[in-house]
Amino acid sequence: EAQVTQNPRYLITVTGKKLTVTCSQNMNHEYMSWYRQDPGLGLRQIYYSMNVEVTDKGDVPEGYKVSRKEKRNFPLILESPSPNQTSLYFCASSLLQGSNEQYFGPGTRLTVT
Amino acid sequence: AQSVAQPEDQVNVAEGNPLTVKCTYSVSGNPYLFWYVQYPNRGLQFLLKYITGDNLVKGSYGFEAEFNKSQTSFHLKKPSALVSDSALYFCAVRPPSSNTGKLIFGQGTTLQVKP
Repeated sequence: EAQVTQNPRYLITVTGKKLTVTCSQNMNHEYMSWYRQDPGLGLRQIYYSMNVEVTDKGDVPEGYKVSRKEKRNFPLILESPSPNQTSLYFCASSLLQGSNEQYFGPGTRLTVT
Repeated sequence: AQSVAQPEDQVNVAEGNPLTVKCTYSVSGNPYLFWYVQYPNRGLQFLLKYITGDNLVKGSYGFEAEFNKSQTSFHLKKPSALVSDSALYFCAVRPPSSNTGKLIFGQGTTLQVKP
C-alpha cells in the first residue's frame, strides 16, 4: 500500500529535550515536506526537500532541522524544543512536478511542556 | 502576499442537501488548486485538483469543485451531503512559479452534516 508513515503519533516532552520525528514514504517520491498545523492558521511549511541531500527552509523553519540521506526518509529534528512548538505535524511527499498532489502522513501530535 | 482564504470556519448542512465550501485565493499567474479533507485523528486526504481545462473538476467521494478565474475562486461542492462527509476541509494553492513545491493552505472549514 502506498503510504507516508510518521512516528511517533503522539509525543509529550519537556523543554530542551532533543527529539526526532521520523517520516518515511514508499512511493519513490522525490519531493518531501514537513508542515505544522495550528488552529486558525491552516498548515504552514517548515522544511522541504527536492531530492536526496537537497533541503531548504519553508515559511517557519526556526527551531527545526531536517535531513535527507535516503530518498524514502525525511526526519524532523527539534534540537531544543520549546512550548511554542506544541503543534500537529504532518509529513508529505509527492512527485516533483508541481501539478502533482501531495500525500500526507497521519500526523504527529507534539506537546512541549 | 500570496494567500488562500476560506471565509467560513464552519458550514452546517442537512443530510441530502447540497453543500458548498468556499475558497478564494490571491496568487499571481495560473496556480494549481487542490482540496484536501481531514477526518479526526487522520492525515490529509487528497480530494481533487484543478490544473487546466474544464472549470468543473470531479474528485473522490462525489465531490466536485468549480474554478472561476475572474473571481479567483475554487469552491468545493457536493449535490447531496452525507453525515460521513463531516470533516475539516482545506483548500490549497501552488503558484506555478513556485520552485519549492510548497502548498499555500487556507485555514480550513469544518463541515458538519446533520441527519
